Amino acid sequence: QLQLQESGPGLVKPSETLSLTCNVSGGSISTNSYYWGWIRQPPGKGLEWIGSIYYSGSTYYNPSLKSRVTISVDTSKNQFSLHLSSVTAADTAVYYCARDQTAYEFWSGYYSWGQGTLVTVSS
Amino acid sequence: EIVLTQSPGTLSMSPGERVTLSCRASEIVSSNYLAWYQQKPGQAPRLLIYGGSNRATGIPGRFSGSESGTDFTLTISRLEPEDFAVYYCQQYHNSRRTFGQGTKVEIK
Repeated sequence: QLQLQESGPGLVKPSETLSLTCNVSGGSISTNSYYWGWIRQPPGKGLEWIGSIYYSGSTYYNPSLKSRVTISVDTSKNQFSLHLSSVTAADTAVYYCARDQTAYEFWSGYYSWGQGTLVTVSS
Repeated sequence: EIVLTQSPGTLSMSPGERVTLSCRASEIVSSNYLAWYQQKPGQAPRLLIYGGSNRATGIPGRFSGSESGTDFTLTISRLEPEDFAVYYCQQYHNSRRTFGQGTKVEIK
């Protein structure tokens, strides 16, 4: 059974870069048609899609965050990462990694999720 | 960018009642690319419905999804105590995904 686990600092200073890693176990990150995504949720608020990556390295970002976001994949370690630069208090959120699957006229929705990790932006 | 608008923001319901949640897209979205999630406090979201009307693995039959043009609906036929939660819709278009803002179903 596929499992995803986020890891990274729980506290980041304003203007610095937030970096998180999602470790994938129980399956290969290099599986065809699987996409690996990051989603965040500020305290008490809704879900926001940050972006997704395919094992080939193709990336897709939320236009509202695109200038600050980089998602990368390391197939040798079966993990993918999120880097969000120039953070402010508004970036304080629970960050989730997740997996979905696409094919011709098919999208699975995010059916595998990590447990989430709270990142607080504060000096 | 496609915007999903969910309504109402909060629903106060009693166990056993039928619940209908709405998700309206700002432009045409194929039902193939619409999903619904349930989220309880302190937990990651759980996929309920994908492809507009397909129940995910292990999801009870009381959950159903439907579509009419740009309007999508999640129906819970008979509310169980464990169904009180926040529900989100999400769409996939041109390799990008967006969520609605959520509807909270609370106990009356």
